[in-house]
Formats: sequence, C-alpha cells, structure tokens
Amino acid sequence: GQQVQQSPTSLVLQEGENAELQCNFSTSLNSMQWFYQRPGGSLVSVFYNPSGTKQSGRLTSTTVIKERRSSLHISSSQITDSGTYLCAMERDTGNYKYVFGAGTRLKVIA
Amino acid sequence: EAAVTQSPRSKVAVTGGKVTLSCHQTNNHDYMYWYRQDTGHGLRLIHYSYVADSTEKGDIPDGYKASRPSQENFSLILELASLSQTAVYFCASSLGGGAETLYFGSGTRLTVL
Repeated sequence: GQQVQQSPTSLVLQEGENAELQCNFSTSLNSMQWFYQRPGGSLVSVFYNPSGTKQSGRLTSTTVIKERRSSLHISSSQITDSGTYLCAMERDTGNYKYVFGAGTRLKVIA
Repeated sequence: EAAVTQSPRSKVAVTGGKVTLSCHQTNNHDYMYWYRQDTGHGLRLIHYSYVADSTEKGDIPDGYKASRPSQENFSLILELASLSQTAVYFCASSLGGGAETLYFGSGTRLTVL
C-alpha cells in the first residue's frame, strides 16, 4: 500500500475560506516536507517540518512524528493558492529518499 | 538563487526508441534525483546520485538508466521507450541526502507513441 496518504484528493474553496490538508504516513519517518505545485508546473518547497508547528504567512504546518501525520492549514484562501499540494516523507532508513503522496488538488474560486 | 534546468521541456518519442532527458543544476548540490509523476501517484523516485560518476536505483528503476558525468549534470536514459513511460519527469537536487529541501526543475513531459 501507499506509504503516504493525502486527503482530501481534491478541494474547491470560495475565496476567503480556510482549508485543512492532511498527510498520513504508514511507516516511521525522519522528517517530511510540504510542496506546492502550480498547475502544469514545477514543485516548490513550502515547509520542511520534521516536527511541531511552523507558520509562514497564511500557511501553517503541524507535524506529529510519533503519530505519523502532518497537516497544512491554509487560511483566508486566495485564487493564487490554487494548485496541488504534495507532502513527502523522508523514510527512516539509511537511504535518504523522500516518498511522495499523490497530492491534494486545490481550486480556489471567486 | 538555486536553479535546476531540464531539457527538453516536452518530447514525443516512438515506442522502442531511445530517449535522453537532461538536467543541469547550478546549486553546487551533491544529490540529484529523477522522479516521474503520473496522475494519482504523486512522484516516484527512479534514480538518484550523490556523487559524480555514480548513480543509485530508486523505487522504480526498471527500464531506465541514469548518468552523472559531473556534479552539475544528471541524465535519464530510456534505451527502449515504452508506452508505459509516458509521464512527466522531474529532476531535483539537494545539498545533502536527508533533511534537506529539494529543488525541482520545471519538468519534461514525455509522450511515447
């Protein structure tokens, strides 16, 4: 089965609404990251968050390593937030390889 | 600013043909990666490298070869392209192998007919 499960698969928001994206890991992990992928484009790291809560502007990431989960909260969504949000875990092995979830596709409408 | 450049941006190949995807980074990073992205599967690691002239298999290496002739360059080679290799391919680099931010290229959309 997939080691990284993201939910929801897709989400449509009215501009100004908040969103909570979830990421659950089936195995132990060293760290994790959240990435944003613009439609048809590349990926940009949003948060490197091995544990605890981090905030950047309207985005807040909370990771609980022992419970193997992470969330990304988007407050006061804007149309420009539209895209796909992927989480990736660094496996707890000797090989430093990130495993990605399938992503949450977010669409913010006016 | 960290930069990873991929070429070509898109390519159409015929089944059985040879395809080479190129990646160049100016980050002075040791680690480079090749991922493929398919709808519903996120990104899956094909090959990676942590030093020039050496490559390692990722999670889905079958049907792919990789080459790292220098720290800056990392290529992905499909010797006999197949329909199932139609996907978007991303190259990435990182300073180290773990607990590091990945920097991605813009991707190569490969269509095999």
